[in-house]
Amino acid sequence: AQRVTQPEKLLSVFKGAPVELKCNYSYSGSPELFWYVQYSRQRLQLLLRHISRESIKGFTADLNKGETSFHLKKPFAQEEDSAMYYCALSNQAGTALIFGKGTTLSVSS
Amino acid sequence: EPEVTQTPSHQVTQMGQEVILRCVPISNHLYFYWYRQILGQKVEFLVSFYNNEISEKSEIFDDQFSVERPDGSNFTLKIRSTKLEDSAMYFCASKVARLNEKLFFGSGTQLSVL
Repeated sequence: AQRVTQPEKLLSVFKGAPVELKCNYSYSGSPELFWYVQYSRQRLQLLLRHISRESIKGFTADLNKGETSFHLKKPFAQEEDSAMYYCALSNQAGTALIFGKGTTLSVSS
Repeated sequence: EPEVTQTPSHQVTQMGQEVILRCVPISNHLYFYWYRQILGQKVEFLVSFYNNEISEKSEIFDDQFSVERPDGSNFTLKIRSTKLEDSAMYFCASKVARLNEKLFFGSGTQLSVL
C-alpha cells in the first residue's frame, strides 16, 4: 500500500540553523515524490519534485530508494521558511497524489 | 500565474442537506482532483477525474459523493446527504498532464455541517 510518513509534527529552529524535514514512503513501484508547502493563509503549492533534482528557495531533497526516504533539507533556515510542509507520493499512473501528515516548520530569530 | 478558483470559500449546511462545491480549474489543464483536510489532520485524496470520467477514487469517496464537469470549465463535488464528519476544508486541484507535473491547488472551501 502507498504510504507517506512524516514523523515530526513540528520542527522549531533558529534562523541560520540547518533544517531537515523527514519523509519516508512505502510504495511497491518507482515512486514520484514531491514536497508541497503551505504558507500562512495561502494555498498549497509545489516546492519541488524529485524528478527535477532542483533547488528551490535553497531547499533540496534527494530520493534515497534504499532507505525509502525523501528528506527535505536547507542549510540555513530563514524566518520566511516558516510554513507547513507536506511530502507527497504519486502513484505510477499519476492519478492520485498521497500526502503525509505534514510538518510545521517554525523559524525564529 | 494562473490559478484554480473555488467557490464558495465557506459553506455552512445542515446535516442531511446536499451541497455542491464548485471549482474552476486552470483552462488548459486536463486532470482534476478533489482533496479534503479535516481540521488538524492531513490532506486526503478523494477523487481524480480525466476525460469526463473518474480515474481513481479513495475509500472516502463513497456513494454520497459525486463529481461532474458540467460545462467544460467548472468541476464540481456534490455531497448528497451531508454528515457531521464531512466538515472539512475541500481543495480542488488540477494539472496539465498526468505524470511528473505540478498540481495546482485552489484556496479551498471550508464546509461546516451542523
